[in-house]
Amino acid sequence: NAGVTQTPKFQVLKTGQSMTLQCAQDMNHEYMSWYRQDPGMGLRLIHYSVGAGITDQGEVPNGYNVSRSTTEDFPLRLLSAAPSQTSVYFCASTSQGLTEAFFGQGTRLTVV
Amino acid sequence: AQRVTQPEKLLSVFKGAPVELKCNYSYSGSPELFWYVQYSRQRLQLLLRHISRESIKGFTADLNKGETSFHLKKPFAQEEDSAMYYCALKNYGQNFVFGPGTRLSVLP
Repeated sequence: NAGVTQTPKFQVLKTGQSMTLQCAQDMNHEYMSWYRQDPGMGLRLIHYSVGAGITDQGEVPNGYNVSRSTTEDFPLRLLSAAPSQTSVYFCASTSQGLTEAFFGQGTRLTVV
Repeated sequence: AQRVTQPEKLLSVFKGAPVELKCNYSYSGSPELFWYVQYSRQRLQLLLRHISRESIKGFTADLNKGETSFHLKKPFAQEEDSAMYYCALKNYGQNFVFGPGTRLSVLP
């Protein structure tokens, strides 16, 4: 079972570059979300989606864009990377009938 | 506002000693609380949820609404319990509010 798959696992960007973090799930979950994990701050919600074509902002959305064209995929775009976006990014999925969220393995992003 | 606090950044105990990871929350309404664990270089995974009142890997957690706490306990810590532990509150929809995490280190 693949579950939630994130690519890449590691990435180094220069300030100002753009990139897309990929997230895919094969559990037919309608709900997907992106979190960033920073030391001493836990995980903070960036964006989330309750279904294909529907997205909304979380706690820390600035500098990030998302789209949800299919149930399976929920990419996170950094339009112009900044050092403050250096973090570990986690994608998660769940369904209305579930109580837990399933997480990807994370993408460690460094912006220099 | 919904908030989860975990006062200890790092907790070190010896193998076989009892362990308690503290979690407090603020939430208006009936909270749904969880403990997630992240072992070294692995993804977050659910450890337990308060509604199940279950014991996983010897860990238990009781929701105390009066003290707004959901502390995680284990009577005898094992070295394989060393990990990062996050207390989480289910927020609107299917979103979670996570605490800052406590790193548990079980010493031999």
